[in-house]
Amino acid sequence: DADVTQTPRNRITKTGKRIMLECSQTKGHDRMYWYRQDPGLGLRLIYYSFDVKDINKGEISDGYSVSRQAQAKFSLSLESAIPNQTALYFCATSAGYGYTFGSGTRLTVV
Amino acid sequence: GESVGLHLPTLSVQEGDNSIINCAYSNSASDYFIWYKQESGKGPQFIIDIRSNMDKRQGQRVTVLLNKTVKHLSLQIAATQPGDSAVYFCAENRGRGSQGNLIFGKGTKLSVKP
Repeated sequence: DADVTQTPRNRITKTGKRIMLECSQTKGHDRMYWYRQDPGLGLRLIYYSFDVKDINKGEISDGYSVSRQAQAKFSLSLESAIPNQTALYFCATSAGYGYTFGSGTRLTVV
Repeated sequence: GESVGLHLPTLSVQEGDNSIINCAYSNSASDYFIWYKQESGKGPQFIIDIRSNMDKRQGQRVTVLLNKTVKHLSLQIAATQPGDSAVYFCAENRGRGSQGNLIFGKGTKLSVKP
């Protein structure tokens, strides 16, 4: 099994729909992150969590929310999806400096 | 080098040649840097890291060089192979040591010609 698992791998949704992307990890790391990747723009931080009771906004948090249900689970929600949220989304975990990434969720909002 | 806009810079090398991928970072207080490799359809994978108190670090076929004076980071890949074809990202740790966050560059696409 992968250390960091993201579900779903691919999703197409309609504008205005609520959607949740899920991430679970088996590394026992306290820190978890959600990044968004757009072509030519690299990875941009949406939200991060240093433990279950600690949630922080990243550089592009508008339009997103997160929930840290347990140490191993960190979900990202789009309350009302819009087309410019079409992107590749990555979850990552860390115990300090280095990050371990999941395989990503490709989200398309039509 | 790092790009601005929608097009990734691309580096094309012949199989067996050495590759050098460059990255400029912005925060002189960043204390830790990482290079990641991202193959098509996969998440970024750790390649090599370096702390700000070092100027060079070597791994297997890879070397990272750090020039803090000009805030420049480079990744050298020796004897480049087709399996090295990927997008490479540098990342800097901003914030207080291990409490900081990684900020990623925009990536460079490496293409290896057989």
